[in-house]
Amino acid sequence: KAGVTQTPRYLIKTRGQQVTLSCSPISGHRSVSWYQQTPGQGLQFLFEYFSETQRNKGNFPGRFSGRQFSNSRSEMNVSTLELGDSALYLCASRYDQGGYGYTFGSGTRLTVV
Amino acid sequence: KQEVTQIPAALSVPEGENLVLNCSFTDSAIYNLQWFRQDPGKGLTSLLLIQSSQREQTSGRLNASLDKSSGRSTLYIAASQPGDSATYLCAVRPRFDGNQFYFGTGTSLTVIP
Repeated sequence: KAGVTQTPRYLIKTRGQQVTLSCSPISGHRSVSWYQQTPGQGLQFLFEYFSETQRNKGNFPGRFSGRQFSNSRSEMNVSTLELGDSALYLCASRYDQGGYGYTFGSGTRLTVV
Repeated sequence: KQEVTQIPAALSVPEGENLVLNCSFTDSAIYNLQWFRQDPGKGLTSLLLIQSSQREQTSGRLNASLDKSSGRSTLYIAASQPGDSATYLCAVRPRFDGNQFYFGTGTSLTVIP
C-alpha cells in the first residue's frame, strides 16, 4: 500500500515568487491536512481538506492557500514568498472517521532566498 | 484552545536503558492521541495511536499510556537502542475543535552506544 507522497522533496525559491506543493494521500483517505514545521514554531496547522472542501484553517495569512481535487490529491500554494516561509511542509492524510490517526508524507523542504 | 507540552525537550541515555517521555494536554475532551517519531529532515512516522476510551497501547518495545482525566500521556521505550535516536512528538485530536491535531514541541532523544 503506497504511503502519502509529497512532491517535490526540495525547492529553492526567491523572495516574491510563488510556489505550489503537491500531496497524494493514501488510497481511500479523503482527509488531507497541511502543516508547516520550523525550528522556532514547531508544527503549525495550515488547513484541512475533505471532499474538495476546506474544513478547517489555521492562523496563516491569505498568501497560503490550498485545494483538493476529486481524487483527493491536494495542492498548497504560497504566493509572494518571504524569507520566513522557509520551512518543512508536511502533508498528512487519514480516514475521515473519529478514531483514525494521521499518516504523514516525507515533506517538502522549501528554502526562500 | 488545546495546548500540548512535552517534557523534557531533550534526553540523552546510554544504550539499553528504559526511558519515559511525557506529554501533557490542557483539554481532556479528545478523540485520540498519537505518538510520532521524526528523524532529522524527514516526515513523521506514526508509532502508536490511543483512542480516548483506551488506557494504553503497545507495539514491540514501545508502550504508550493515556490518562485523559489528568491530561497526560507517556511513551515508554524499553531497552533503548542507538536507532531509537530521533525526535518524538505527541499529537492530540480534540473532540470539539474541528479536524485539527495539536502537536507538542517534541522530545529529542539521543541513545549513546
